[in-house]
Amino acid sequence: NAGVTQTPKFQVLKTGQSMTLQCAQDMNHEYMSWYRQDPGMGLRLIHYSVGAGITDQGEVPNGYNVSRSTTEDFPLRLLSAAPSQTSVYFCASSLGQGIYNEQFFGPGTRLTVL
Amino acid sequence: GDSVTQMEGPVTLSEEAFLTINCTYTATGYPSLFWYVQYPGEGLQLLLKATKADDKGSNKGFEATYRKETTSFHLEKGSVQVSDSAVYFCALSDGPLVAGNMLTFGGGTRLMVKP
Repeated sequence: NAGVTQTPKFQVLKTGQSMTLQCAQDMNHEYMSWYRQDPGMGLRLIHYSVGAGITDQGEVPNGYNVSRSTTEDFPLRLLSAAPSQTSVYFCASSLGQGIYNEQFFGPGTRLTVL
Repeated sequence: GDSVTQMEGPVTLSEEAFLTINCTYTATGYPSLFWYVQYPGEGLQLLLKATKADDKGSNKGFEATYRKETTSFHLEKGSVQVSDSAVYFCALSDGPLVAGNMLTFGGGTRLMVKP
């Protein structure tokens, strides 16, 4: 049971390039989400999904796209990278709400945009 | 909207000292409250949680009590160890009122414990 996995661990992009951050979980969790972590600001929600085929925006969605074609995978796409997107990105999953609301986090992807 | 405020760090303590990290929140509903810990180079791990007023969450010697009257969820430990050095995040989830059960985080507090 690998939990939540993320790839790559590190990435450097030039302004304007596109890329996809991968996230997968093997716990059959319905809920998945993407956060970015910036110094002094905690983690901020980018996008989330409550099940396959369903996605919604979080607090800071601009410049990012997501899709959820399977329960296991929840990739995050940067369409045209900007220096303001330099951050550490975390993917998380949870079984559901209420008593099942514990979120499990991946190890993170450190992204630098030059 | 929902928000979480934590004391700014870093907090530097000697081994076996008493730890308190303050956390207060604002929320529209009846949130669940969490403390997450992030060790260097790793993702976040759930440390403890409380789902209703007056609940006490506890784990690994850490405790926090859900105080609805003061909208607080302060983290405490009676005797810290060097291995407790990490960044601690307070967070809330407004549960059924917020689709997807997503978390609102505080800014994080870095704890450094010296031998």
